[in-house]
Amino acid sequence: GENVEQHPSTLSVQEGDSAVIKCTYSDSASNYFPWYKQELGKRPQLIIDIRSNVGEKKDQRIAVTLNKTAKHFSLHITETQPEDSAVYFCAAGGNKLVFGAGTILRVKS
Amino acid sequence: NAGVTQTPKFQVLKTGQSMTLQCAQDMNHNSMYWYRQDPGMGLRLIYYSASEGTTDKGEVPNGYNVSRLNKREFSLRLESAAPSQTSVYFCASSEAPGIYGYTFGSGTRLTVV
Repeated sequence: GENVEQHPSTLSVQEGDSAVIKCTYSDSASNYFPWYKQELGKRPQLIIDIRSNVGEKKDQRIAVTLNKTAKHFSLHITETQPEDSAVYFCAAGGNKLVFGAGTILRVKS
Repeated sequence: NAGVTQTPKFQVLKTGQSMTLQCAQDMNHNSMYWYRQDPGMGLRLIYYSASEGTTDKGEVPNGYNVSRLNKREFSLRLESAAPSQTSVYFCASSEAPGIYGYTFGSGTRLTVV
């Protein structure tokens, strides 16, 4: 089955800096790669996703890149703000998703 | 439009007790999922239902059963709760898995003592 690894487990950045979170997956049949943001005590919320026929997608300050050959995908957040502080999860799959273990992002002001 | 609704929000069980976690969605989604979330381990799939009338095991199905009661409702049952099942449980649904992401419920925090 699918296995998703996520790095780093924690990330601290200064407000205004960029943050990058990386994930690798094992199953070449996976064709959908979403990213979720979860604030403390809240439900995960979809922030951006990418499908296997696309290499990059951007939405304002966030972007996701996918390298199918290497089986890895990354989340990029530019001009970080304190409200970006949360746990971020990557996931991979198709009709069902396997999630990474999460990255705690702290944005220091 | 409530999205995905889970009940209860909190529950404390004694070892060996049983209970059912309820989940309902009002978005006419075909696919529904149950995940558990433990510190440092992300979200792990327990069971899922690709459509009404079908259910399949996920990564960690042992100790759980599910029922897809109709298109709206997908329940998770613990027949004999164990301390290892202490976790936060999330229900989710999707209009078209692999095309659209999941919408999650607000979660059930379960403690087994």
